[in-house]
Amino acid sequence: DAGVIQSPRHEVTEMGQEVTLRCKPISGHNSLFWYRQTMMRGLELLIYFNNNVPIDDSGMPEDRFSAKMPNASFSTLKIQPSEPRDSAVYFCASSLGTGVGTQYFGPGTRLLVL
Amino acid sequence: DAKTTQPPSMDCAEGRAANLPCNHSTISGNEYVYWYRQIHSQGPQYIIHGLKNNETNEMASLIITEDRKSSTLILPHATLRDTAVYYCIVRSYDQGAQKLVFGQGTRLTINP
Repeated sequence: DAGVIQSPRHEVTEMGQEVTLRCKPISGHNSLFWYRQTMMRGLELLIYFNNNVPIDDSGMPEDRFSAKMPNASFSTLKIQPSEPRDSAVYFCASSLGTGVGTQYFGPGTRLLVL
Repeated sequence: DAKTTQPPSMDCAEGRAANLPCNHSTISGNEYVYWYRQIHSQGPQYIIHGLKNNETNEMASLIITEDRKSSTLILPHATLRDTAVYYCIVRSYDQGAQKLVFGQGTRLTINP
């Protein structure tokens, strides 16, 4: 079975540019999570969706970040405008159900903002 | 969610059992203990979870003390591929409480 798919795997952009990260969750999973990982802050939850509805976006750093989930098989995380401090690895994860469950992580997108 | 405390690093010889401790002294009755690991440059991987009984699966065993204030993840026959950062997380069994709060974890190095 295909796991969580993320694209692109690597992204290098210049400060001020718009960046869009994409995620396809595991088929049948109804919860989706976006995380960011840096050396300084570790792994942080940015936002999670349940049944395509954002449930908790308290981890989204600021208005430059936005996330959407237009359907059960696709989500995007957008940064506009990007800044060097946004450089990090961004992970998407999905899980089945709304209660206790295991999360399955994608391979991540390595973002470098110059 | 309860806070966890793990040693920052551990070493283990290949083929031996790796025992990774975790303290969660403020855990409450409805909080589960989860273990994930992250191999270098990969996304975190679920290992095992439990509430109060010991659990075992194909990857590892989880031993939770009777008072639930601490637990140990056991990799029975560690291999070089088990070198990773291991995260111990506690979270409540509530609808909507989907957050996994990752701490710094334990960096486990398996030596040949």
